[in-house]
Amino acid sequence: EAQVTQNPRYLITVTGKKLTVTCSQNMNHEYMSWYRQDPGLGLRQIYYSMNVEVTDKGDVPEGYKVSRKEKRNFPLILESPSPNQTSLYFCASSSRLPGTGGWGTEAFFGQGTRLTVV
Amino acid sequence: GQQVMQIPQYQHVQEGEDFTTYCNSSTTLSNIQWYKQRPGGHPVFLIQLVKSGEVKKQKRLTFQFGEAKKNSSLHITATQTTDVGTYFCAGPGGATNKLIFGTGTLLAVQP
Repeated sequence: EAQVTQNPRYLITVTGKKLTVTCSQNMNHEYMSWYRQDPGLGLRQIYYSMNVEVTDKGDVPEGYKVSRKEKRNFPLILESPSPNQTSLYFCASSSRLPGTGGWGTEAFFGQGTRLTVV
Repeated sequence: GQQVMQIPQYQHVQEGEDFTTYCNSSTTLSNIQWYKQRPGGHPVFLIQLVKSGEVKKQKRLTFQFGEAKKNSSLHITATQTTDVGTYFCAGPGGATNKLIFGTGTLLAVQP
């Protein structure tokens, strides 16, 4: 089954304790990205990756790191989490870049990770 | 930077009433996508519009892309309780490879 898998689904952590949220897709997609969802603000892109070893900042990258060592995996790293990073996080992938239009640009989302930083 | 706004932020309707959400971008979009997120779920792709003035239908849902390719709308005819959720529009971020989502419209349908 084609899917994007995120882990964990729920996480409560303390300020400053490094954490990693994993994301894996089995569709051989080139484009992967991370979003955070907050009430009234919609989905805001944190980082995206156009292929292995190619990553770039989205609109809210501060406090986050990513890596793309393999095509299928795109982990999100919070080196020193703070309470303002409490949010619902989604990983997404698509076959082609968003700006190319046409088939293959639709994003497939993971189930989400609800992170609470206390 | 580029912004994509949606109105209304929230709408409550009686089952059977129509519903429309509007999406407005600060810049011209090469294409626009629509997603639906059920309560507690993740966004799911609905449709993509590419051409200026394009109109597409999916059963009771009608999607429209503006002539200037800066706005779009989603209209649902005769809403049902299964239509409940948040509807997002999304478009590519200009010269970048970002995918920028709108702020979303939460639709509540009362039986």
